[in-house]
Amino acid sequence: DAGVTQSPTHLIKTRGQQVTLRCSPKSGHDTVSWYQQALGQGPQFIFQYYEEEERQRGNFPDRFSGHQFPNYSSELNVNALLLGDSALYLCASSPDGRLAGLPTDTQYFGPGTRLTVL
Amino acid sequence: AQTVTQSQPEMSVQEAETVTLSCTYDTSESDYYLFWYKQPPSRQMILVIRQEAYKQQNATENRFSVNFQKAAKSFSLKISDSQLGDAAMYFCAYRSLETSGSRLTFGEGTQLTVNP
Repeated sequence: DAGVTQSPTHLIKTRGQQVTLRCSPKSGHDTVSWYQQALGQGPQFIFQYYEEEERQRGNFPDRFSGHQFPNYSSELNVNALLLGDSALYLCASSPDGRLAGLPTDTQYFGPGTRLTVL
Repeated sequence: AQTVTQSQPEMSVQEAETVTLSCTYDTSESDYYLFWYKQPPSRQMILVIRQEAYKQQNATENRFSVNFQKAAKSFSLKISDSQLGDAAMYFCAYRSLETSGSRLTFGEGTQLTVNP
């Protein structure tokens, strides 16, 4: 049973560019959340997708956008990159409560994508 | 908005000894979950233990246990018989059950060193 996977592992971009990060959830999970973790800090919630819609959003600007596909995989897009966007981007998946028999309260994380903006 | 505070940026423990990591949180809600996650140098965030706020009994998972004090809004993690593999950054996290969605609010983390 594959866990949460993310690609790419590392990425280097320059200021002003755009980036797309990808996430495949754990088997049986249909909810995907994205977090930004700056060096030495705790993860900060960006947004969450369920049924291809953004269900919750944290305090991030509109430069951060996302998408969820019918197979539940997800993308995080960041436009007009700033130096401050350099961070580890974590994807987490969880099952929605309507999937009977599955715990609904635990998020499982992928290994992250390390983004460096120069 | 909920906040989570971990007041110990760094902790160290001798192998086979016991260590306790502190976490406090601020919320006006009565129904929520609390978690401890571990993040080793590999960066993978791993769930250590989970506590439902409506349960008075403290959660335990093998060598890991929590001391959940709801009135004090305190949620500490005790690691018994510490092992070298326990060395990692530990994060305390809060999840509301009174809003839709399952976002986690994390603390700033505690770096645990295990000395042989």
